[in-house]
Amino acid sequence: EVQLVESGGGLVQPGGSLRLSCVASDFTLSDHYMNWMRQAPGKGLEWVGRSRNKPKGYTAEYAASLEGRFTISRDDSKNSLYLHMNSLRPEDTAVYFCVRDFYVNSVWHPCDLWGRGTQVTVSS
Amino acid sequence: DVQMTQSPSSLSASVGDRVTITCRASQGVTNRLAWFQQKPGKAPQSLIYAASSLHSGVPSKFSGSGSGTDFTLTISSLQPEDFATYYCQQYKTYPFTFGGGTKVEFK
Repeated sequence: EVQLVESGGGLVQPGGSLRLSCVASDFTLSDHYMNWMRQAPGKGLEWVGRSRNKPKGYTAEYAASLEGRFTISRDDSKNSLYLHMNSLRPEDTAVYFCVRDFYVNSVWHPCDLWGRGTQVTVSS
Repeated sequence: DVQMTQSPSSLSASVGDRVTITCRASQGVTNRLAWFQQKPGKAPQSLIYAASSLHSGVPSKFSGSGSGTDFTLTISSLQPEDFATYYCQQYKTYPFTFGGGTKVEFK
C-alpha cells in the first residue's frame, strides 16, 4: 500500500531537540518533492518546509518563522524523510505531517499523499 | 509572504445545499492554488490542485475555479460526509501559505 508513516514525536522540554521520521511505502521517496506541515492544537495548517527530489539535489525551502531551527534531510537507503528540530519552543507544539508532492504538466503540485501525523509537545 | 484570506470562516448549511468558499491571495499566484478537506482528528485530504483540477478519487460535486488572486471552492450538493473544515493553500511563492480555514457545520 502506498503510504507515509511518521514517527519520533513526543514530549520535549523547551530548548530541546527532536528528529521526526517519515517512512514511505510502495513508492520511491527520492523521486518526489516532499513537505512537512504542522497543525497546532485548535489551529489551522502551517507549511514547515519542502525538500526537492534527488535530481534537484534535495535542496530545501523553509518557513522563515522557524528562524533556521529546523532542517529536512533524507536517507535513500531507508526510503525516509526526516525533520530535525532544534531549540524547540512551546509554540512548536503541533501535529507534524509528512506530505508528498506530485509532478504534472511540468509543475510540482502539493499534497497528493499525507501521513497520519505525529504529535510533538514542547513543555517543561 | 502571500497572505491567504478565506471567507467565510464558518458557515451553516443543510444536506443538499450548494456551498461556496472563497480564498483571496494578497498577490497573484496564477493557478498555484490547492484545496484541502480536514475532519476532526484526521489528516487533511487533498481535493483540488492547480485551482481547478480534481485529485483522483475526489467526487465531482467538488469544483474549484479562479486564477490570480481570487479563487472559489464549490460543493454542488452538500452531503453528511462533507461537514468538515476546508483550507486553501498557495504554492506559487515560498513560503507556501494557507488560508485560515472554513468550517462547514450542519444547520
